[in-house]
Amino acid sequence: EEPLLQSGGGLVQPGGSLRLSCAASRFTFSSFYAMSWIRQAPGKGLQWVSTLTFDAGVTYYADSVKGRFTISRDNSENTLYLQMNNLRAEDTAVHYCVGYRYGASYRGLSWGQGTLVTVSS
Amino acid sequence: DIVMTQSPLSLPVTPGEPASISCKASQSLLHSNGYNCLDWYLQRPGQSPQLLIYLGSNRASGVPDRFSGSGSGTDFTLKISRVEAEDVGVYYCMQVRQTPLTFGGGTKVEI
Repeated sequence: EEPLLQSGGGLVQPGGSLRLSCAASRFTFSSFYAMSWIRQAPGKGLQWVSTLTFDAGVTYYADSVKGRFTISRDNSENTLYLQMNNLRAEDTAVHYCVGYRYGASYRGLSWGQGTLVTVSS
Repeated sequence: DIVMTQSPLSLPVTPGEPASISCKASQSLLHSNGYNCLDWYLQRPGQSPQLLIYLGSNRASGVPDRFSGSGSGTDFTLKISRVEAEDVGVYYCMQVRQTPLTFGGGTKVEI
C-alpha cells in the first residue's frame, strides 16, 4: 500500500491559522472507511484530534479543538485536510493523518509521515 | 470515551529474553462481528508509529513472528518471544471499537 503524504505545518503565532494536507493514491483513498488526524505533543503520547467517515461524511472532533479545527476531504485530489484556526500554544505537536478500512477489511491504521506544527510568538 | 491503560510504563529488556506488555480497556473491545478492536503499534524515535498487531491477534505484513498479540474483551497482551536490539522504542495499544480512537499511555522498551 502506498504511504500517505503530508504537507503543511510550520511555525505560527498564537491566534493564527494553518492548513494541513494528506494525499493518497486514488485507490488507497477510495478504500478507506474513514480518515483521522492524530497528534503528539513533544515528549508525549498519541492523541486523537478528529475523524471524517467517508460513507456518511460524519465528522468528529476532540473537545480541545472543537470550533477551531475543521476536517474535510477533496475526492478529486484524493486529499484530506485539517484547517486549524485560532491556534494555541498547546496545539504544538507533530500531527499525523491516518486512514483505515472497516470490519473484516480492517488492517490497522495507515500513517502519514507526520508534520510539525509549532505555535509560538 | 474508552480509556486504555498500559503497563508497565517502562520495560528494561535483555536481548534474547521474552517481554510482555499489558493493555486494559475500560469497556469491551469485542465487536458484534467477533473481532477485538485492538491494535498494537511501535514508535521508534523520530518515526511514525508502525503497526505490529491488528484486531487483537493478527500480525501485520512484514512483522517478525516473535511478536504476538492475545486477549479479548478488555484485557490484552503483546508478547515478544525473544527481544532483539531493533525492538526498542515506545509501544502503544489503541482501540478502534468506537470514535474517538484512544491510545494507551505507551510502554518504553529499552535494552
